[in-house]
Amino acid sequence: EAGVTQFPSHSVIEKGQTVTLRCDPISGHDNLYWYRRVMGKEIKFLLHFVKESKQDESGMPNNRFLAERTGGTYSTLKVQPAELEDSGVYFCASSPGLVFETQYFGPGTRLLVL
Amino acid sequence: GESVGLHLPTLSVQEGDNSIINCAYSNSASDYFIWYKQESGKGPQFIIDIRSNMDKRQGQRVTVLLNKTVKHLSLQIAATQPGDSAVYFCAENIIQGAQKLVFGQGTRLTINP
Repeated sequence: EAGVTQFPSHSVIEKGQTVTLRCDPISGHDNLYWYRRVMGKEIKFLLHFVKESKQDESGMPNNRFLAERTGGTYSTLKVQPAELEDSGVYFCASSPGLVFETQYFGPGTRLLVL
Repeated sequence: GESVGLHLPTLSVQEGDNSIINCAYSNSASDYFIWYKQESGKGPQFIIDIRSNMDKRQGQRVTVLLNKTVKHLSLQIAATQPGDSAVYFCAENIIQGAQKLVFGQGTRLTINP
């Protein structure tokens, strides 16, 4: 069974540019989560999808971040325009059903904003 | 507010020794706890979990202990191997609450040959 995959693995962009991160969850997993870890800090929750619906987006830092999950399969996280403080590692995770279960993480996308 | 913290940012042990990684949490309503292992260039990998109705759970070479009285969680790794070198995170959740994990900062475990 394939795990959670994320693309790209690394991204280096300049301040003010736009970047789109993609996450493909484990097949059949309804729950999809985005987290990020900025340098030296803990991994923090961004948002949670159940199928194509946003269940909880309380962790989204501001309106420069837009997450979508059209069709309830893969998800994208767009940062527009990117700022220096957006640099970090963005993780995606998925879990199977509606009751809380173990979340399986992808390898992450390392974003560097210059 | 909610917070999960780790007592030590780094830990070095000799190969073959046992290691103990500690974690403190502050949300007394949390009822589900997970340990993740993160190797360089990879995402967090599930190791073991425990629910608040238990105080101990064992896996293969790993044991998680939960002390709800002092809100403390620990991960014990027996007979450490070089492959155990990684950053270890504890995370908490409330099963009937929002399904977001609250992570600690992580402890870097180094296994010395």
